[in-house]
Amino acid sequence: QVQLVESGGGVVQPGRSLRLSCAASGFTFSRYAMHWVRQAPGKGLEWVTVISYDGSNKYYADSVKGRFTISRDNSKNTLYLQMNSLRAEDTAVYSCARGGGHCTNGVCYILDSWGQGTLVTVSS
Amino acid sequence: DIQMTQSPSSLSASVGDRVAITCQASQDISKYLNWYQQKPGKAPKLLIYDASNLETGVPSRFRGSGSGTDFTFTISSLQPEDIATYYCQQYDNFPITFGQGTRLEIK
Repeated sequence: QVQLVESGGGVVQPGRSLRLSCAASGFTFSRYAMHWVRQAPGKGLEWVTVISYDGSNKYYADSVKGRFTISRDNSKNTLYLQMNSLRAEDTAVYSCARGGGHCTNGVCYILDSWGQGTLVTVSS
Repeated sequence: DIQMTQSPSSLSASVGDRVAITCQASQDISKYLNWYQQKPGKAPKLLIYDASNLETGVPSRFRGSGSGTDFTFTISSLQPEDIATYYCQQYDNFPITFGQGTRLEIK
């Protein structure tokens, strides 16, 4: 069965960096686009970024563009999110999700499997 | 950005009731809309994709309809296990955007 397990969250000071990982198993990771979605405490879902199955295409929400970088290592079945210049408003649970179904340029938009998420708290 | 407006924001209904949630897009998104269920403390789960297609393994009491700017998600007969927050999501254009969520409670 599809399994997505995030790690790397924690408490970090504003302006610092953090790298999240998402370990995938139960499917052919290299054939799927992957997304990061976040959820601030008590709030709704906010899409963050997506990477195509081969890493050639990446898209970001305006709120993180220029600060966050998505990447993947298909040999390790792992997705990453490098987060720099963190702000208090980045505090959230960050979840990775597999993108399936309708695809354009290797990016697929139906989030058909999700991880449980890892909490990132940005606070001094 | 395409704004997705869900209504109501919260809903209380009885077991066996028919429940409907609407999602309105700020511009035409064709059929590019999905619905997710998120139970407290759990990851979201895909229920409906491309506006009206039921994800494999999802009970048939869940249904989606609509196209263009107006979409509806219905539960034909509410069950206790359906207590959750429901989100719509558009993918016609980047950035992908979600509705603000509808919290469903049992009366």
